[in-house]
Amino acid sequence: EPEVTQTPSHQVTQMGQEVILRCVPISNHLYFYWYRQILGQKVEFLVSFYNNEISEKSEIFDDQFSVERPDGSNFTLKIRSTKLEDSAMYFCASRGAYGYGYTFGSGTRLTVV
Amino acid sequence: AQTVTQSQPEMSVQEAETVTLSCTYDTSESDYYLFWYKQPPSRQMILVIRQEAYKQQNATENRFSVNFQKAAKSFSLKISDSQLGDAAMYFCAYFLGGATNKLIFGTGTLLAVQP
Repeated sequence: EPEVTQTPSHQVTQMGQEVILRCVPISNHLYFYWYRQILGQKVEFLVSFYNNEISEKSEIFDDQFSVERPDGSNFTLKIRSTKLEDSAMYFCASRGAYGYGYTFGSGTRLTVV
Repeated sequence: AQTVTQSQPEMSVQEAETVTLSCTYDTSESDYYLFWYKQPPSRQMILVIRQEAYKQQNATENRFSVNFQKAAKSFSLKISDSQLGDAAMYFCAYFLGGATNKLIFGTGTLLAVQP
């Protein structure tokens, strides 16, 4: 079964450093997403990406965050200057038409120290 | 704005028994999708079951079934013949559809399965 692949599975970074989280969505999907889950809390939407541009973003997705699809297969989330409160599980997701195939990756656990 | 409510923070079930997890949602739309996701301790998000709002028939996937009550805006998950591997956090989620819409999640129900 097709999978969404995320790397790394766990990243530890110092406060103020830049991090890039990587995702390979399912190949024939057109809609891409990043979600965040702080430990013990619900999953929150960060950003959606379609047709090579951001289609929607949440209040969380401020100027410190950016997304890119650099080569037609990878989908990245960059945090420019990490804060302690950015520590969370970050999920990439992709989907096909309508609600079908809305699939999550296994997540990247980001720890900011 | 759409919201999803899971009123049971924790549930417990005996192995081989049946348990029902509740979910209600609020929307003014008539066409949408509903999902249940399972999150085990590994924290991976695993799709359990999906329901299209235009379908009257309740979705079923092996031991998992839903009771979709559109007028009541209720979408409960029934797990039959519970197994130890079913122990996890379960999230209900709403999806309006369209090009850009995101999933809106409930706060989750932590299910424990007792041997």
